[in-house]
Amino acid sequence: NAGVTQTPKFRVLKTGQSMTLLCAQDMNHEYMYWYRQDPGMGLRLIHYSVGEGTTAKGEVPDGYNVSRLKKQNFLLGLESAAPSQTSVYFCASSTGGQEDYEQYFGPGTRLTVT
Amino acid sequence: LAKTTQPISMDSYEGQEVNITCSHNNIATNDYITWYQQFPSQGPRFIIQGYKTKVTNEVASLFIPADRKSSTLSLPRVSLSDTAVYYCLVGDGWGKLQFGAGTQVVVTP
Repeated sequence: NAGVTQTPKFRVLKTGQSMTLLCAQDMNHEYMYWYRQDPGMGLRLIHYSVGEGTTAKGEVPDGYNVSRLKKQNFLLGLESAAPSQTSVYFCASSTGGQEDYEQYFGPGTRLTVT
Repeated sequence: LAKTTQPISMDSYEGQEVNITCSHNNIATNDYITWYQQFPSQGPRFIIQGYKTKVTNEVASLFIPADRKSSTLSLPRVSLSDTAVYYCLVGDGWGKLQFGAGTQVVVTP
């Protein structure tokens, strides 16, 4: 199993450009998450999904949109990139449920907005 | 989500035991304590989880006192490859994890 994969690994955008980050998991997990991590800081939850067709806001959702059209995929969109969105983005997935504490993380996408 | 406090950094030598204590004074009755490890340029990796007393797996032990207001992650006989950031998280499940700044552990020969 590949686990959680993220595409692309690196990206440079100009301010105002848009892009979509793709996350895919092959573990049949119900829950999926998008986090961002700024230098020297912990991860902050952007959006998450508790099942196909559902999404919800996390701690820092502004400037991002997400979609979960298929169970195995979770897309993160930036409609108009800003320098403040320069960060490393991690996707994760988990089985879901009340005793769900083990999340499986992807390798990350390093995004720079100039 | 209960707030957690842990040391910013810890240094150790190879072969020693490393103990990282996390404070979570506002932990709720339904909350579990979970620890993650993160290497540079990688996503975090689940290490261990517990509710009370002691939990042990192949890589670490987790000690939780009766009042559950703190917990200690114990890494036995660390090696250079244990150099990483360790995060303590508290939550009631349902996928909600809140990462703090973590503890940078540096292991030297």
